[in-house]
Amino acid sequence: DAGITQSPRHKVTETGTPVTLRCHQTENHRYMYWYRQDPGHGLRLIHYSYGVKDTDKGEVSDGYSVSRSKTEDFLLTLESATSSQTSVYFCAISEGQASSYNEQFFGPGTRLTVL
Amino acid sequence: SQKIEQNSEALNIQEGKTATLTCNYTNYSPAYLQWYRQDPGRGPVFLLLIRENEKEKRKERLKVTFDTTLKQSLFHITASQPADSATYLCALDMDNFNKFYFGSGTKLNVKP
Repeated sequence: DAGITQSPRHKVTETGTPVTLRCHQTENHRYMYWYRQDPGHGLRLIHYSYGVKDTDKGEVSDGYSVSRSKTEDFLLTLESATSSQTSVYFCAISEGQASSYNEQFFGPGTRLTVL
Repeated sequence: SQKIEQNSEALNIQEGKTATLTCNYTNYSPAYLQWYRQDPGRGPVFLLLIRENEKEKRKERLKVTFDTTLKQSLFHITASQPADSATYLCALDMDNFNKFYFGSGTKLNVKP
């Protein structure tokens, strides 16, 4: 398995509080991604990073921010959590075009509940 | 807007039969398309990639086709087994900048 971990694995929080999810990799892959997965919507890209301090928005970025100060860590912050952000969050890593298949390797997921 | 469609209804088949899953897309011109498998409570796992200049790709019991005119990929599992039961997702690299968009997935149930 690719060396990718997410923390916390489960979190319950209240509406209006800030929440930070952490993704850590030991593969030295250039690209890192944050997705959310909800029933009926599949995986939706929130933000992604193509290098240290280089990030870009995905299709559902409102209400989320990210930071990548080191190759191995990619943080996702919910600035003021809302119930609509209750979801399972997946982090993924990729070597990009350096890999023949450009495949993504996914972390185990974080289940977030906003009450 | 970009859109990737997979059959949201579960596909139920008998063991030993061939399962065929569909991925349709609009407003893209992807250089390649990927297929992933996801088991309950786990992250997706990469299975296959097919490039725009490839009509078909095989890996063991898996076969993927890619029709850029129809904007469609078909994913086949031959001689299906109960262990193949999972959700299968297709993914496209939007604008070929390593920015991926996934379909909602199709759940496959293989009955013994």
